[in-house]
Amino acid sequence: DGGITQSPKYLFRKEGQNVTLSCEQNLNHDAMYWYRQDPGQGLRLIYYSQIVNDFQKGDIAEGYSVSREKKESFPLTVTSAQKNPTAFYLCASSMLGGNNEQFFGPGTRLTVL
Amino acid sequence: QQPVQSPQAVILREGEDAVINCSSSKALYSVHWYRQKHGEAPVFLMILLKGGEQKGHEKISASFNEKKQQSSLYLTASQLSYSGTYFCGTYSMNYGGSQGNLIFGKGTKLSVKP
Repeated sequence: DGGITQSPKYLFRKEGQNVTLSCEQNLNHDAMYWYRQDPGQGLRLIYYSQIVNDFQKGDIAEGYSVSREKKESFPLTVTSAQKNPTAFYLCASSMLGGNNEQFFGPGTRLTVL
Repeated sequence: QQPVQSPQAVILREGEDAVINCSSSKALYSVHWYRQKHGEAPVFLMILLKGGEQKGHEKISASFNEKKQQSSLYLTASQLSYSGTYFCGTYSMNYGGSQGNLIFGKGTKLSVKP
């Protein structure tokens, strides 16, 4: 089955620790995205990548980092510099272009204590 | 520029109809619609493209007014399963095609009661 997976579903970390969220897709999509979702805010773009070894900042990239070493994988690191990291994080992938739908993973709920 | 959705929330009885609107201050290449149930991933509903092309579920109806930079999602004869938060996302236009990334609105929460 083709799809996009994220792990873990729930994650708890102490303040000041870096944490990495996993995102893998087997849809052969070139583009991958990370969104942050807070209540009442919609989905806000953190980072995106359209090709291996290249990625671009989205609207709220401060305090986050990514890598794209393989087409299938786009991990997100939430660093200690992110002031308010507790949120629901969604990874998505798509074919290139604004006429293609994005496929979302199940999300990771990160809670920083 | 984040698109504006209206209403923010709506409550329906089963069988009633609803319209969700999405408007942008920029010229649009495409409008995407997604539905998200609480704690789950958003699910694709429809894409409306400049020029009139549409991609998506046959049972979902939507419109795209390019001049007004607006889109509307029509939910008819609502069912309990329609409950969730609906998001529109917009790709802005540039010369020759789309640009940038999908920018989502804040969502419209739809509740369908028995």
